Formats: sequence, structure tokens, C-alpha cells
Amino acid sequence: NAGVTQTPKFQVLKTGQSMTLQCAQDMNHEYMSWYRQDPGMGLRLIHYSVGAGITDQGEVPNGYNVSRSTTEDFPLRLLSAAPSQTSVYFCASSYSLGLAEETQYFGPGTRLLVL
Amino acid sequence: GNSVTQMEGPVTLSEEAFLTINCTYTATGYPSLFWYVQYPGEGLQLLLKATKADDKGSNKGFEATYRKETTSFHLEKGSVQVSDSAVYFCALSPFAGIQGAQKLVFGQGTRLTINP
Repeated sequence: NAGVTQTPKFQVLKTGQSMTLQCAQDMNHEYMSWYRQDPGMGLRLIHYSVGAGITDQGEVPNGYNVSRSTTEDFPLRLLSAAPSQTSVYFCASSYSLGLAEETQYFGPGTRLLVL
Repeated sequence: GNSVTQMEGPVTLSEEAFLTINCTYTATGYPSLFWYVQYPGEGLQLLLKATKADDKGSNKGFEATYRKETTSFHLEKGSVQVSDSAVYFCALSPFAGIQGAQKLVFGQGTRLTINP
């Protein structure tokens, strides 16, 4: 199993550009989520999905869109990038519907710089 | 609301020293508690967890006990190694019922450096 994979590893954008961060998992996990990691703030939940076709907002959803057309993939879209979205983005997945005690498996991250 | 507060870093220790990283939380109900570790250039991986009061999670020589009376989940290791150098995150997952979705709430992370 490759686990949770993310592409690209690093990206530089100009303000106003759009892009999609890719996330895929090969563990047949129902639950997937996106976090951003900022210095001194830990990780914060952006969006999550409990299965194909079902998504919901997390703590910091503004400026981001998601969709879940398959169990394996959960892309994160930035419609119009802003410098405030400079961060490291992590995708995660877990076996079930994300019960409180479940372990989440994280991808290696995408480092995004918005100029 | 739900929140996690971790000991300020960075922390620098010598090899074989005793490690404590403090973590306290605020939550309603009965959350699950986690410690995740992030090695340089990698994503987070679960180190240990505890799902109810007085549970002790342990892994790779690390331990943490879920203390509901003090709302704490401090991470300890008796003798650290250079390979333990990483960033450690304390996190909680609020109880959300059978059909709930896990929404991890993280502390700010503590960078640990172990010198030989």
C-alpha cells in the first residue's frame, strides 16, 4: 500500500491564481480530511468527507473547495489564491466514518507559497 | 469550545535524558486524546492514543495517561534518543456519536531536539 499520497510536494502561486492539491489513498478509507499547518498554530481542519459524494466544512473552509467523486480521491481546490493561504497542507484518512477514537493516516504534505 | 494547549518549545535535551511534554485540553463530553509525531520532511503519524479517562497510551517507550481530573495528557519518555528528534503534537477528537466525523483539534506542536 502506498498509503496517503499528495501532489505536488511544493508549489509557488501568484495571488489570484487557482490550483488543485491532489490527495489519494489506497486503503479503502471512508473518511478523508484536509488540514493546514501554520507556524505556532498546529493543524486546522479545512474540509472533510465521510464518503463519496459527501463533504462538509471544518474550522477554516473559506477560500477552499472540495469534492469527493470516488472513495480514493479527495482534491482541494484554491479558487483564487491569497498570501494568507501560504501554508503546508496535509491530507488524512481513516477507516470508518471518522469515529472519535479512530487513527488518522496523514500524507507527506504539500508546501504552498502564494506571492 | 474545544482546545489543546501544549508546552512551549523548542525543547533541547541530551541523549538518555527524561522527557516530559505537557498537554492540557478543554472539551465538552468525553474526547479521545492523541499524540502525533512529525519527523523532518514527513507527514504526521500516530504515536499513541487514549480513548477514556485513566487509559494509558504507550508506544516506542513513550507514555501518556488520560487524566480527566486535571484535563491533561502529558507525554513522557524515560530515556530519549537522537532519533526521537521531531515535532510532537497533542490532539483531541470530540465525541461525536456513532455517525460522527472525527475533527481533530491540535495543539501548536513542540519541537524536540536530542543532542548526542
